[in-house]
Amino acid sequence: DIQMTQSPSSLSASVGDRVTISCQASQDISKYLSWYQQTPGKAPKLLIYDASNLETGVPSRFSASGSGTHFTFTISSLQPEDIATYFCQQYDDVPLTFGGGTKVQIK
Amino acid sequence: QLLESGGALVQPGGSLRLSCAAPGFSFSNYAMNWVRQAPGKALEWVSLISSSGGDSYYADSVQGRFTISRDNSKNILYLQMNSLRAEDTATYYCARGGPVILHQFDHWGQGTLVIVSS
Repeated sequence: DIQMTQSPSSLSASVGDRVTISCQASQDISKYLSWYQQTPGKAPKLLIYDASNLETGVPSRFSASGSGTHFTFTISSLQPEDIATYFCQQYDDVPLTFGGGTKVQIK
Repeated sequence: QLLESGGALVQPGGSLRLSCAAPGFSFSNYAMNWVRQAPGKALEWVSLISSSGGDSYYADSVQGRFTISRDNSKNILYLQMNSLRAEDTATYYCARGGPVILHQFDHWGQGTLVIVSS
């Protein structure tokens, strides 16, 4: 099984800060990585697919990059509505696997 | 739009069937998934079924106990859960994949809560 290691598990930043989250796959997954945002009590929402493609309607302050085993997700200017937990997920092979999540809070 | 139902409180060893209604898109063109989330925990992929229903895959944690199926004439996805355990307690989400089985999940239901407890 492909293990997805996400870091940090939580972070606290100020409004307007640049926030970066990392996700590492235990083996090469090419570009087959997505990022999801989950606010409390809600279903996850797709933000990024194929490692760097922004889903339609997602604000441009969200971006991501990477390939192979190392991936990065960035919020260029943190907004209050970005308070959520973010998950990476690989879909290179079954079983599909998620990272452990990163909880983003406002400082 | 995806609408799950069927979550309930069930005793260990019991069974439950979850449903996910999928109006509003060409259901038969998409692979579908079940994903669960235990309280305060990360997302865990549970099962996947191809668009035709001919292929299905399971997480090791549910293999042999859960069965995924779909009715493309009714636009409904199912998850039959047998031999339930306390560790199956979670919110269960259905999620739309793509025309191929390995695909990002672009639409999610609101979730249905399953509690396994005596």
